[in-house]
Amino acid sequence: AQKVTQAQTEISVVEKEDVTLDCVYETRDTTYYLFWYKQPPSGELVFLIRRNSFDEQNEISGRYSWNFQKSTSSFNFTITASQVVDSAVYFCALSERNSGYSTLTFGKGTMLLVSP
Amino acid sequence: DTAVSQTPKYLVTQMGNDKSIKCEQNLGHDTMYWYKQDSKKFLKIMFSYNNKELIINETVPNRFSPKSPDKAHLNLHINSLELGDSAVYFCASSLGGDSNTGELFFGEGSRLTVL
Repeated sequence: AQKVTQAQTEISVVEKEDVTLDCVYETRDTTYYLFWYKQPPSGELVFLIRRNSFDEQNEISGRYSWNFQKSTSSFNFTITASQVVDSAVYFCALSERNSGYSTLTFGKGTMLLVSP
Repeated sequence: DTAVSQTPKYLVTQMGNDKSIKCEQNLGHDTMYWYKQDSKKFLKIMFSYNNKELIINETVPNRFSPKSPDKAHLNLHINSLELGDSAVYFCASSLGGDSNTGELFFGEGSRLTVL
């Protein structure tokens, strides 16, 4: 069975600090996808990134960067120079590909509080 | 245009009532899902339909019954509501078959409060 662990329940930082959100996953499949979603206080789920299991390249998008390491089964997310608008719950998720549909398993989320 | 839309967004009702939440997607996806987010923010899959056929049915009470009249719609009906049903329910859709990339497109959520 697949499992996603986000050990950090809540993180508080001051604006402009860098912050890393940890994600560790378990799966027996060789083909899988990893995701990060953001859930701001308004409640919707905002897709941030998808990474497939064959692509270990790190990715940077503006202030966001992701570090995927299969050797440690981790997919960590870093926000550089955090802003108050980054305050949200962040979910890491894992999807195994079963017969063409997605069984997306979420971690329990990390609440990020960025204060001015 | 909203890709995955759910109605209603907020629903407050009494214990014992029956209620429905509707979901529609205009993405042309084959597969739709219902997820439940509890008070601790934990997101868990409840059901999934592929081309109107039930493919995932997690351990959910029989009081919950999904219905998919066509592949663009997946409604959730809940009978005899209980306090513990209070949660945010998210509808989602994805491509099916070989086109599936694992990505789910989520609706905005429907917050159900049972009093």
